[in-house]
Amino acid sequence: GESVGLHLPTLSVQEGDNSIINCAYSNSASDYFIWYKQESGKGPQFIIDIRSNMDKRQGQRVTVLLNKTVKHLSLQIAATQPGDSAVYFCADFRDGSARQLTFGSGTQLTVLP
Amino acid sequence: GAGVSQSPRYKVAKRGQDVALRCDPISGHVSLFWYQQALGQGPEFLTYFQNEAQLDKSGLPSDRFFAERPEGSVSTLKIQRTQQEDSAVYLCASSTYRDYEQYFGPGTRLTVT
Repeated sequence: GESVGLHLPTLSVQEGDNSIINCAYSNSASDYFIWYKQESGKGPQFIIDIRSNMDKRQGQRVTVLLNKTVKHLSLQIAATQPGDSAVYFCADFRDGSARQLTFGSGTQLTVLP
Repeated sequence: GAGVSQSPRYKVAKRGQDVALRCDPISGHVSLFWYQQALGQGPEFLTYFQNEAQLDKSGLPSDRFFAERPEGSVSTLKIQRTQQEDSAVYLCASSTYRDYEQYFGPGTRLTVT
């Protein structure tokens, strides 16, 4: 079936380095792609979204890249901090009657001191 | 401001018992979503409300699951005759008009013994 999935289940980076979290998707009909961050014991937290007709979007310390040719999405975190340690999910969303987020399985990011 | 709240945070039920999980969305948010999150997995969509209308319940796993939002604010997810496979974290989310930007509560962890 159609899904949103991630390349790696875990990622460790040194504090201060840049992090790149990747995601593959299969549904070309998605209207938005979104990154969520989930800390232990908490619900997912919205980070940034990108509309399907865009290639790149920047936020505060984060950048999302969308490559529709290979159906690939990435989240770049600049100057990774200890507070960035969490599970990161990519999700897709389609406008219309089925207004639901479809999540991938997540990448655990660990920031090393 | 106040975020999405859920209660109880933890619930232990014996197999066969009925449970009711409550969600208080952010005031003024029109849309409300329920998700089920198994350990180590991404959230999976259960159902969606716009005000008091349940517009999508395609993700409810069986007819033992029932959700309501009678006055368009607080919502309750009810599970009848709980089974061990119902053990999961149940997340509630609300949103304004940008339904891909959902605000999640902390979840209710349900354990069925």
